[in-house]
Amino acid sequence: EPEVTQTPSHQVTQMGQEVILRCVPISNHLYFYWYRQILGQKVEFLVSFYNNEISEKSEIFDDQFSVERPDGSNFTLKIRSTKLEDSAMYFCASFAGTSGYEQYFGPGTRLTVT
Amino acid sequence: GQNIDQPTEMTATEGAIVQINCTYQTSGFNGLFWYQQHAGEAPTFLSYNVLDGLEEKGRFSSFLSRSKGYSYLLLKELQMKDSASYLCAVFNAGNNRKLIWGLGTSLAVNP
Repeated sequence: EPEVTQTPSHQVTQMGQEVILRCVPISNHLYFYWYRQILGQKVEFLVSFYNNEISEKSEIFDDQFSVERPDGSNFTLKIRSTKLEDSAMYFCASFAGTSGYEQYFGPGTRLTVT
Repeated sequence: GQNIDQPTEMTATEGAIVQINCTYQTSGFNGLFWYQQHAGEAPTFLSYNVLDGLEEKGRFSSFLSRSKGYSYLLLKELQMKDSASYLCAVFNAGNNRKLIWGLGTSLAVNP
């Protein structure tokens, strides 16, 4: 069964450093998402991506964040200058958009900013 | 605004039945999802309701009333492995197909 993959599973970085979180969505899907979940809190929408551009972003997704789909398979989230409060699980999800309704989630990357 | 409410915590006994409620007020609605999330893991899909009524899938059933902005997830024959958070999420197809999430209900199943 096709699945969304994410790397790394855990990233530790120092405050102010740049991090890139990587995702490989399901190959024929058209919509891609990043969500964040701070420990003990709810899942929060960050950004949606369709047709090679951002289709919507939340208030959390400020200038420190960016997304790219550099090739036909990878979907990345970059945080330019990490803050302590960026520590969270980051989930990538993809949705076919042409059929079905389920968003498929990757296993997540746990980002720890020290 | 967007508002999705669920109880924070519930406790039940192995073998019993539990109902987890979700009420929503959102600017758009194209269906409601229930996801299960074990600690430290990604949410996994349980059910999707777009029309009113009950959808049954094995031990899990989900109900939707669009006029009341209400859904519930029913878990039967509870097992210890059902201890997890259960997340209610509203799908808005017109809003870039994003999911709006509730806080989740943490269910503890006791022997």
